[in-house]
Amino acid sequence: DADVTQTPRNRITKTGKRIMLECSQTKGHDRMYWYRQDPGLGLRLIYYSFDVKDINKGEISDGYSVSRQAQAKFSLSLESAIPNQTALYFCATSDTRTGDKNIQYFGAGTRLSVL
Amino acid sequence: DAKTTQPPSMDCAEGRAANLPCNHSTISGNEYVYWYRQIHSQGPQYIIHGLKNNETNEMASLIITEDRKSSTLILPHATLRDTAVYYCIVRSRNQAGTALIFGKGTTLSVSS
Repeated sequence: DADVTQTPRNRITKTGKRIMLECSQTKGHDRMYWYRQDPGLGLRLIYYSFDVKDINKGEISDGYSVSRQAQAKFSLSLESAIPNQTALYFCATSDTRTGDKNIQYFGAGTRLSVL
Repeated sequence: DAKTTQPPSMDCAEGRAANLPCNHSTISGNEYVYWYRQIHSQGPQYIIHGLKNNETNEMASLIITEDRKSSTLILPHATLRDTAVYYCIVRSRNQAGTALIFGKGTTLSVSS
């Protein structure tokens, strides 16, 4: 079983629809992240959370919101999807106990298409 | 983050060692070298990291030169499943900012 699970794996939606991507982890890590990846480009950070009550914007947070429902769950919402949000979305986790935020563990990704 | 330079692509025969180089000549004393890989459209996977000593784990070995200006990731017995883009990232543990910055990396193609 995967330690970082993303659902759904694939989603097609229409412009203007609200959509939620979910991430859960069994690693017991305190930190969680949402990235997006566009074809041929690197990963860009959308939001990150250091614990349930600590949510922070990343590089490209406009048009997105997040919810950290529990230490193990971190959801990403697109309030009103637009075509340029078509991308591959990754959730990741890291563990403060290691003292190294640069070691992040990624989920398998959600491929989102906004028509 | 210190700038890193990697060859855009490399080939390796299955069963042979894959040696992936990374140049980081401007690395600072408190910066670590991290390696990740991304198999096509899957999530990036952490492989290994080190500061100045050579490191080995179940996936790979990391050789860092004495002056720390370059390093080599070694996959001792490459398999077809090791075909991926490999990224070398140099950062300190206290680096401002949270996002990992993946450059263009090296595309490793393992063939039978």
